Amino acid sequence: KAGVTQTPRYLIKTRGQQVTLSCSPISGHRSVSWYQQTPGQGLQFLFEYFSETQRNKGNFPGRFSGRQFSNSRSEMNVSTLELGDSALYLCASSSQGFEQYFGPGTRLTVT
Amino acid sequence: AQKVTQAQTEISVVEKEDVTLDCVYETRDTTYYLFWYKQPPSGELVFLIRRNSFDEQNEISGRYSWNFQKSTSSFNFTITASQVVDSAVYFCALKDNTGNQFYFGTGTSLTVIP
Repeated sequence: KAGVTQTPRYLIKTRGQQVTLSCSPISGHRSVSWYQQTPGQGLQFLFEYFSETQRNKGNFPGRFSGRQFSNSRSEMNVSTLELGDSALYLCASSSQGFEQYFGPGTRLTVT
Repeated sequence: AQKVTQAQTEISVVEKEDVTLDCVYETRDTTYYLFWYKQPPSGELVFLIRRNSFDEQNEISGRYSWNFQKSTSSFNFTITASQVVDSAVYFCALKDNTGNQFYFGTGTSLTVIP
């Protein structure tokens, strides 16, 4: 089976812009979770989608949003980018709610 | 509230030494799941093991072994005869039984010196 894929792998944006990141889960996995990883804060949970519905949400401002499509692919959007949004964004998919399998991540740099 | 603590921020060992990575967790749930992930320099987290709260049996997989002790809320990870390829950041994580949210520790950066 193909693993979790994320696009793009690298992204450079300017403060105030918005960005959309994409994640394709492992075939058959219906749950997709998003994490933000920074050196100072570690891995922080953003949200989880299951069957096109947001099932869990972390403690992030409303500028961070996401959605999931009928084919389980997911996108996350960050509006009005801030310098502090620079991070590695990781997507993970799972089946039956057990171990999560992670993608390679999208490294976002905000200048 | 769920919490995972990895007190060791960085560890350096010489190749072939054994090393243990500590993980302490907090949860009020009676059913929960514990995980270890490896993050090599490439950035992708690699799943290593899952342990259910009702299964305290320790596990060995090659050079890797895990010691789960509910009495001390610990889930420690030992690498025997470490190799340079083991150099990575290792994360311990907890998932409760009410949702699919994972709680990660802050990670332990392991450097194996040749």
